Amino acid sequence: DAGVIQSPRHEVTEMGQEVTLRCKPISGHDYLFWYRQTMMRGLELLIYFNNNVPIDDSGMPEDRFSAKMPNASFSTLKIQPSEPRDSAVYFCASSLGGVGYTFGSGTRLTVV
Amino acid sequence: GEDVEQSLFLSVREGDSSVINCTYTDSSSTYLYWYKQEPGAGLQLLTYIFSNMDMKQDQRLTVLLNKKDKHLSLRIADTQTGDSAIYFCAESMGKGSYIPTFGRGTSLIVHP
Repeated sequence: DAGVIQSPRHEVTEMGQEVTLRCKPISGHDYLFWYRQTMMRGLELLIYFNNNVPIDDSGMPEDRFSAKMPNASFSTLKIQPSEPRDSAVYFCASSLGGVGYTFGSGTRLTVV
Repeated sequence: GEDVEQSLFLSVREGDSSVINCTYTDSSSTYLYWYKQEPGAGLQLLTYIFSNMDMKQDQRLTVLLNKKDKHLSLRIADTQTGDSAIYFCAESMGKGSYIPTFGRGTSLIVHP
């Protein structure tokens, strides 16, 4: 398996633009997680899905953030409109049964 | 305070042993994990231990768990420059949730 695949690896966008981050989990995994990592706040769980259903989105910072998982092999995290404070590395991770995650390589987002 | 605490930095000389420490607060934690994050990459699961174990060894890695003190440590024998990374401690099943709670990470710097 190729592991958890995220795209793009790097994204630079202007404030106010829409940003879409993509994730392909490991085939057969039933949990998918979106994390954000910054120096100031460390690793923050934004949202997670179980069998494509959002279970807990309490970590999503505000309404500008949304996430979808239309099928078992694809998820998106969207920020609209983006702001400079959204600059961070966004990780997707998947697991089977919720134990022991596999992380993607992350998307480094810079909002200028 | 934080649910999972780690010191932020550790510096060791190549060939020495490294010991990275972690404390957690929830006595119902069942799984305790160590993840490694290399620059520009996602977190990689190194090892994990069940709360009914005291020790787990895997090649150069030794995990020690003191459940009474809620203290977890990761010992890396014969530390190499390639071990330089951020090491995250995490626990799950505290509060009955499979979702891991991560520490802030310890940056291990290995110098010649």
